[in-house]
Amino acid sequence: GAGVSQSPRYKVAKRGQDVALRCDPISGHVSLFWYQQALGQGPEFLTYFQNEAQLDKSGLPSDRFFAERPEGSVSTLKIQRTQQEDSAVYLCASSLYAGDEQYFGPGTRLTVT
Amino acid sequence: AQTVTQSQPEMSVQEAETVTLSCTYDTSENNYYLFWYKQPPSRQMILVIRQEAYKQQNATENRFSVNFQKAAKSFSLKISDSQLGDTAMYFCAFMKPGSGNYKLTFGKGTLLTVNP
Repeated sequence: GAGVSQSPRYKVAKRGQDVALRCDPISGHVSLFWYQQALGQGPEFLTYFQNEAQLDKSGLPSDRFFAERPEGSVSTLKIQRTQQEDSAVYLCASSLYAGDEQYFGPGTRLTVT
Repeated sequence: AQTVTQSQPEMSVQEAETVTLSCTYDTSENNYYLFWYKQPPSRQMILVIRQEAYKQQNATENRFSVNFQKAAKSFSLKISDSQLGDTAMYFCAFMKPGSGNYKLTFGKGTLLTVNP
């Protein structure tokens, strides 16, 4: 079956612009995670959804970051007023249930100029 | 908070040989999961192997096996009969289940190059 997909794959934004990153999880997967991966680093947790409920957003670096999953499937990560330090690869992962194997998407590489 | 340390930023191995990647972690929890993920140059992260802390037996998946030393908080990955397709970044990761959040905490990764 189809895996986790993310769009766009690449995004270039000028400093101060707003961006929206989309994640399509594997159909039927209850849990959805967003991670941020800086160059040469391991991914770092941003936020976690179980169905449409955002159960943990402790990893969001500032109030410029906002995530939603209104119908419990597709999720959007929005970054307002982008800054250069937001440049990273944003990874989405889904799992059938909490604690199960997380399947990762290909990521969106965001470059803020 | 849990931390995961991978002390080898880069490693290389000849094709068909065996290589071991190191990982240590710090936690006060007794029940947790440990993972090794592989991230090839295309960047899609793939699960290689998983170990539940309550299991004494080391996990094995074909050419991949782990050496889990709970008391030492060590979780190394052994790749036997290395293949060119094993070239990738390898990340060790920790999860604390049952906490209401099943996030993964990753190390910084080890870049493994398999040479022909």
